[in-house]
Amino acid sequence: GQQLNQSPQSMFIQEGEDVSMNCTSSSIFNTWLWYKQDPGEGPVLLIALYKAGELTSNGRLTAQFGITRKDSFLNISASIPSDVGIYFCAGQLEGGSQGNLIFGKGTKLSVKP
Amino acid sequence: GAGVSQSPSNKVTEKGKDVELRCDPISGHTALYWYRQSLGQGLEFLIYFQGNSAPDKSGLPSDRFSAERTGGSVSTLTIQRTQQEDSAVYLCASRRGRAFYNEQFFGPGTRLTVL
Repeated sequence: GQQLNQSPQSMFIQEGEDVSMNCTSSSIFNTWLWYKQDPGEGPVLLIALYKAGELTSNGRLTAQFGITRKDSFLNISASIPSDVGIYFCAGQLEGGSQGNLIFGKGTKLSVKP
Repeated sequence: GAGVSQSPSNKVTEKGKDVELRCDPISGHTALYWYRQSLGQGLEFLIYFQGNSAPDKSGLPSDRFSAERTGGSVSTLTIQRTQQEDSAVYLCASRRGRAFYNEQFFGPGTRLTVL
């Protein structure tokens, strides 16, 4: 099936540091989404992107929809302990079935207090 | 409650047994999805229901997997003759409408362990 390459797989950083993660694909997407999943919970939407080049912020989080429509990144500024969790990118393929999302394998974020 | 609920939260079964997993979507949401999340993996799409339309079953991994959605609300995912490789967290999500910009809201998942 279609693949989203998400990197890095895991990160272990100091509190206060900035974090960056990204997703790439060989296919074109018309939507990019970033989710966070806490243990024992379902993913929760952080940021949604619908246009190539779009740059959107949600508090300390910033995400961009790549110009080529094949990639996206998520930045977290000044990380805090509650940022710990698994971050997933997800995208809807151009021409894909309505609302069907393809997910990356996740970036596990650990923050040292 | 206001969110998507799933039951049971955990299910342990023996290889070869059938299991049923339940999803209660947010009231009024017409779209319902099932995903599978294996350890260390992203979410794998299984099946999608939209209103009264025929479901998109393109993600079901084998004919042992099936799902129903009764009355446009509650959904049941059934796995027959379970195998150890079926062990995973099964997540359900619902969405208000058909538009791609409507958010999918996820339930907490059912963790299935096949011994």
